[in-house]
Amino acid sequence: KNEVEQSPQNLTAQEGEFITINCSYSVGISALHWLQQHPGGGIVSLFMLSSGKKKHGRLIATINIQEKHSSLHITASHPRDSAVYICAVSPYSGGGADGLTFGKGTHLIIQP
Amino acid sequence: NAGVMQNPRHLVRRRGQEARLRCSPVKGHSHVYWYRQLPEEGLKFMVYLQKENIIDESGMPKERFSAEFPKEGPSILRIQQVVRGDSAAYFCASSPRQGKMNTEAFFGQGTRLTVV
Repeated sequence: KNEVEQSPQNLTAQEGEFITINCSYSVGISALHWLQQHPGGGIVSLFMLSSGKKKHGRLIATINIQEKHSSLHITASHPRDSAVYICAVSPYSGGGADGLTFGKGTHLIIQP
Repeated sequence: NAGVMQNPRHLVRRRGQEARLRCSPVKGHSHVYWYRQLPEEGLKFMVYLQKENIIDESGMPKERFSAEFPKEGPSILRIQQVVRGDSAAYFCASSPRQGKMNTEAFFGQGTRLTVV
């Protein structure tokens, strides 16, 4: 069974700061997801990674398969980025929602 | 293009009542997953269904919980004789096929169940 650890658990930063959220897992995987959840809201998929790096707007996600580690970066952070960011891993290369194990999430607050 | 639709968004039940949570997957998706998010805890897998079949229910409590995904209509997660500890957010996700293509995970808005 995979153990997924996220750090930090809570993060408060000022608008404009560069944000990094980390995710480590214990067992080899085929796909890793970064998800976003606003308070009381649904879950939105930000990225699915199996190797390397992906970028979408101000968000960048990287993964190091050998070190079993992924990072989510937010550049030029904004108060609307305030949310819980969740890392989830899957043993299946097809991605999707198959076999996901989730971290507990990082609570991010961006202050104006 | 409607995403995963869950209803109701909020559900209040008294102890001992039944709760029925519905999930309509993304059009064309034949795989449905239910997850539970307890307060201050991460998401936990409950059950994986395909049309008319339960594929993996290893995360489902042994009693009072059941799930179905009929040939027609939404997937239903049913909780009988609810207790306060069932209060949580229940999320549904869907996928087109297992392990066949790179795809993001599609989640619904969740149903927040409160047992009073």
